[in-house]
Amino acid sequence: EAGVVQSPRYKIIEKKQPVAFWCNPISGHNTLYWYRQNLGQGPELLIRYENEEAVDDSQLPKDRFSAERLKGVDSTLKIQPAELGDSAVYLCASSSRLAGPGFVDYNEQFFGPGTRLTVL
Amino acid sequence: TQLLEQSPQFLSIQEGENLTVYCNSSSVFSSLQWYRQEPGEGPVLLVTVVTGGEVKKLKRLTFQFGDARKDSSLHITAAQPGDTGLYLCAGADSWGKLQFGAGTQVVVTP
Repeated sequence: EAGVVQSPRYKIIEKKQPVAFWCNPISGHNTLYWYRQNLGQGPELLIRYENEEAVDDSQLPKDRFSAERLKGVDSTLKIQPAELGDSAVYLCASSSRLAGPGFVDYNEQFFGPGTRLTVL
Repeated sequence: TQLLEQSPQFLSIQEGENLTVYCNSSSVFSSLQWYRQEPGEGPVLLVTVVTGGEVKKLKRLTFQFGDARKDSSLHITAAQPGDTGLYLCAGADSWGKLQFGAGTQVVVTP
């Protein structure tokens, strides 16, 4: 079974330029996550989708970041314009469980290899 | 800001030695997960602990969840070079949302 696919793997751009990342989750996984991982830190959630609906985007910097998952399968994350502080690894993850209140079972997330973004 | 504090930040040991990594928080979690991340890859789930006081073993790895479900530890017995990687703990709330620690970089030299 194919894992989570992300592209590109690496991207170098100059500040103020736009950039987009693409993610294809594991087949059949309803929930998709975008994380940002800064150097020396753990991943931080940017947005979570359940099917095509963004159910948690509270940590997405909406002035410059946008995301979409139009058909509830693959997803794109865009930054426009990019800033120096956006340099990081952007990780996509998917899971087969939908979260909800009273959630007591674990929710295994499968991560892609990430896109390493460098903003010059 | 990481709600989960991991210690130490970096650990370098010789093959065959034992090591313990700690994950502490002031928050109570519904469950806690441990991941290992290798360079250029995403994190891979090792284990999930759910019940306070729970101990899980995965070959040479032993995971423990604190009684109050706020802290956890990972112990590796007789470490091997293949255990090298960034070990991340992540606490899940009742919605399944994960909060990650900053990680412990483990290097095992032959």
